[in-house]
Parts: sequence; structure tokens; C-alpha cells
Amino acid sequence: GNSVTQMEGPVTLSEEAFLTINCTYTATGYPSLFWYVQYPGEGLQLLLKATKADDKGSNKGFEATYRKETTSFHLEKGSVQVSDSAVYFCALSDLTGGFKTIFGAGTRLFVKA
Amino acid sequence: EAGVVQSPRYKIIEKKQPVAFWCNPISGHNTLYWYLQNLGQGPELLIRYENEEAVDDSQLPKDRFSAERLKGVDSTLKIQPAELGDSAVYLCASSPRGTANTGELFFGEGSRLTVL
Repeated sequence: GNSVTQMEGPVTLSEEAFLTINCTYTATGYPSLFWYVQYPGEGLQLLLKATKADDKGSNKGFEATYRKETTSFHLEKGSVQVSDSAVYFCALSDLTGGFKTIFGAGTRLFVKA
Repeated sequence: EAGVVQSPRYKIIEKKQPVAFWCNPISGHNTLYWYLQNLGQGPELLIRYENEEAVDDSQLPKDRFSAERLKGVDSTLKIQPAELGDSAVYLCASSPRGTANTGELFFGEGSRLTVL
């Protein structure tokens, strides 16, 4: 079946540092890939997405590229801010069966001033 | 536009007691989901509705969990009786159907359950 594996946290960085959170997936078809973010005390919200191979999703300075050859969708940001402290979830959505979405375990990011 | 609304935000009960969670999806969203999020884990699907029909409830523990979506809008998730292991956050999400569906889920803030 489909699955998502992302790097364990927590990840602690200083402000303006470069961020990478690794995500790999297993899927039988051609899923869409997503990064969701959960800020403290809030619900999950979509950060970015990519729907096919080689697509790059981007939002708020974050980027991720859909790599079919390595089955990866790593999240990157060139310069993190304290306000980026949150839990980040990688997810895939399978078009078959009505967009069933599977989430990774989440990676908590702490950014220090 | 209002987002997905859930209540209560927090609930503390003793084991063997019943509990219910309510969700109001975004207006016009035909698909509604209930997810379970254990501490330190990602959300796991419990049940998915298309309008008032439960189209995927394979992960719902039917011995103690039940859900309904009368009239295809609001939904209620019930646990009876609750067990210690049910302590978790229960997330509701919705999405539009058809060409408007890009796979994105719109989540509420969740209902955090603590069973003592």
C-alpha cells in the first residue's frame, strides 16, 4: 500500500539557517504530494503541493520538488524565521478511491532567535 | 469564508463514559473526513463521507466508534464507551468534489480528548 516516511524531529535551527526536511513515499500509482504545516494551537493547513513528476511547489519561501526517480518530496527553505516553528507533515493523495490522503508522522521544527 | 468548525476543542472524561464530537465543514464541501491524530503521529483516516454516504469507514473501530452525517452537512463522531487508548486529537476535514477537488484537505482545529 501507499506510505510516507519523513525525517524524525525535532529539528532545531537558528534564525536564517537553511532548512531541509526529507520525505520519501511509496505509491502504486501517480499520487499528488503535499506539505501541510501545523502551527501551535492551530489546525493543519496546506503549505504547498505538486501534482506530477518534476513539479515544484512553493509558498512562503518554502519549496519542494516532486522527484519520481527518487520517490522524494523534500521540503526546503533558504532562511528560516522564528515564526516558521511548527510541525510539518508530508502527505500523498491517491486519485484512485477518491483522493485518499496518507500522512507522514510529522517533523517538529524549532527556530531560535 | 468560514473554515471547518469543530467542537468541543477539549474534552476530559473518565473511561467507559461516552463522548461526541461535532464538525461543520466549509460551505459547499461535499466530502467530509474524520481523522485520528495520536501524539507525535500524523493524522490517520477514520471515515470519509461523500454527502451523507460513508464511502470509506474501513479504519473506524465499529465496536465503539460511530459517525453520522445527516443531511450531508454537519457530522458527529461518537465513542461509547471510551477507553484510555482513545486519548488523542480528533480532526475533521472537508474538501470540494469534482473539478474543484485538487486533493487539498481543509482542517478544523481539532478536538483533543483525554480519557482518565
